[in-house]
This record gives sequence, C-alpha cells and structure tokens, in this order.
Amino acid sequence: AQSVTQLDSHVSVSEGTPVLLRCNYSSSYSPSLFWYVQHPNKGLQLLLKYTSAATLVKGINGFEAEFKKSETSFHLTKPSAHMSDAAEYFCVVTLSGGYNKLIFGAGTRLAVHP
Amino acid sequence: EAGVVQSPRYKIIEKKQPVAFWCNPISGHNTLYWYRQNLGQGPELLIRYENEEAVDDSQLPKDRFSAERLKGVDSTLKIQPAELGDSAVYLCASSSGEFRTSMNTEAFFGQGTRLTVV
Repeated sequence: AQSVTQLDSHVSVSEGTPVLLRCNYSSSYSPSLFWYVQHPNKGLQLLLKYTSAATLVKGINGFEAEFKKSETSFHLTKPSAHMSDAAEYFCVVTLSGGYNKLIFGAGTRLAVHP
Repeated sequence: EAGVVQSPRYKIIEKKQPVAFWCNPISGHNTLYWYRQNLGQGPELLIRYENEEAVDDSQLPKDRFSAERLKGVDSTLKIQPAELGDSAVYLCASSSGEFRTSMNTEAFFGQGTRLTVV
C-alpha cells in the first residue's frame, strides 16, 4: 500500500534563507510524486511532479525536489525563502500506470519571518 | 480556460439537515475526485470517478454520504443527515489521466466548500 509521511508539521525560516520540507513515501510500485501548495483560502496548486523521468525536478516559484529511491524520499527545497512562500505544503504519492489515486501527507506549514 | 468550479464556497447548516455540494471539472477531464480536508490535516479521498463510474468509493461513509456524476461531467456530493463531525472543507479535483493506461497526470483542485455543521 502507498503512504506518505511529512516529517515536519511546522517549519519556520527567515526570509532569504533556504527551505527544506521533508517527505518520505512508501509504495509497492514505482510511484509518482507531487508537491502541492495551499495558500489560505485558496485551492491546492501543483508545485512540481516526479513521474520516473529526471530525479531532480524543478517546479514553480524556484522550488525543486529530488527523488531518492534508496532513501524513499522526495524532499522539497528552495534556496531562498520569500515571504509569499508562507503556506501549507503537501507531499502526494500515487501509483504509476494511471491508477490516479492521490494520497496526501498531513502537510507542513511553512512560516517565513522577515 | 476555467478551472475546477465548486459551489457553494461556504455552507452553514444545523446538524441532521441535508447538504449538497456541486463540482464542475475542467472540460475534457475524465477523472473526478472528491476529497475531505479536516482542519490541520491533508485531504482524504472520499470518492473517485472515471467518467460516470465510481471506481474508488471505499472511503465514502455510505450511510450518510452519496455522490453522483451523471453524464460523466458535473458531480454532486450529498450528506444526509449531516453530523457535527462533518465540518470540513470538501474539495473537488479533476485530471485528464486515462484510467490504467497512462502515467499519472496532475490533478487540478477547486477552491473547496467549507462546511460548518452547528
């Protein structure tokens, strides 16, 4: 069965410093992995996705994530945080092969301080 | 192109009353999802449609929840009767991935309906 664990429920960084949001997954099959962002009172927006192509995936707003099969991880990073990055971030896993079932992690709330 | 449209955005009802949510997916998207998101948690799948067929409803509390997707386009999710614990945000999403034939494509989410049961 697939599952996803976000290791930090809250992360707080200063503006201009790096961001690291950690995600570990469990899947019996080759997974597809996504990061979504949710700003207050707004819908979920896709940041980036991994679907068995390049292991380093670049997304919107300067975010990127690296798929590490040996570590079953898909951590989200950004070199320099911006105030507008403050939001809830969700790591999502699903089976490859078109089964289209998205399984969400519990989320990580990112706070960015001046 | 319009995104996933949900209505209403907010709903407050008394317990034991019925409530319905409506979702219009992105045109051409054959997969439609209903998720429930409790405060401080990640979304949890309630039901997934491939066209008009419910292919995964294992998480749907069938004693009080029902859903339909007539003609494989719009969908409604109903709760009858509502309970206090049903207070949550109900999210609809759609994607264009073909069931069992392709790599997973991203899902596009609506803004959700925030339900408060009092």
